[in-house]
Amino acid sequence: DAGVIQSPRHEVTEMGQEVTLRCKPISGHNSLFWYRQTMMRGLELLIYFNNNVPIDDSGMPEDRFSAKMPNASFSTLKIQPSEPRDSAVYFCASTPGLPPGELFFGEGSRLTVL
Amino acid sequence: AQSVAQPEDQVNVAEGNPLTVKCTYSVSGNPYLFWYVQYPNRGLQFLLKYITGDNLVKGSYGFEAEFNKSQTSFHLKKPSALVSDSALYFCAVRDMSRNSGYSTLTFGKGTMLLVSP
Repeated sequence: DAGVIQSPRHEVTEMGQEVTLRCKPISGHNSLFWYRQTMMRGLELLIYFNNNVPIDDSGMPEDRFSAKMPNASFSTLKIQPSEPRDSAVYFCASTPGLPPGELFFGEGSRLTVL
Repeated sequence: AQSVAQPEDQVNVAEGNPLTVKCTYSVSGNPYLFWYVQYPNRGLQFLLKYITGDNLVKGSYGFEAEFNKSQTSFHLKKPSALVSDSALYFCAVRDMSRNSGYSTLTFGKGTMLLVSP
């Protein structure tokens, strides 16, 4: 089992640039989650998908953030344009969707916006 | 609404001593409870879960947690701490009441455990 795979692991970019983070969930898992972790705010849920459909995006900070899940094995989180306050570690997690529903996390993508 | 509180930002314990990391929760229905551990520069790793049944749950790396419904708590414990247990620990809850629909996990803010040699 390869686990949840995220790329890139590290991204350094300049303010105003577009950032795309990628996630491959565990095969057979039908729910996918994007989280953001910062020292100040802890772990925040940004959006989650069930069967490739966005269910709740209320955690997405603003219109600069968008997420897609075109198929069961791939999801992207895009920030355009990026700002220094977007610097954080972004985690993707998946779950089979059946109770009790523990999440399986990827290793994260550390984003630094200069 | 569901919520989790981890009242301690940091717990310090000497190697070989027992450790407890505290967690309390609030849900409208029955809870599913989880503990996760995060090592530096890594993702969160699942440690253990409570679904139903025995109030004492055993998990990975010798950790266990005790579910107490009357106190709405789910404290993480280990009889003898190791230096390698030093990490950030998260408690999480999911409300599995009938009308919760697509209920997500709600995480606490995390507790840093530091085990000294």
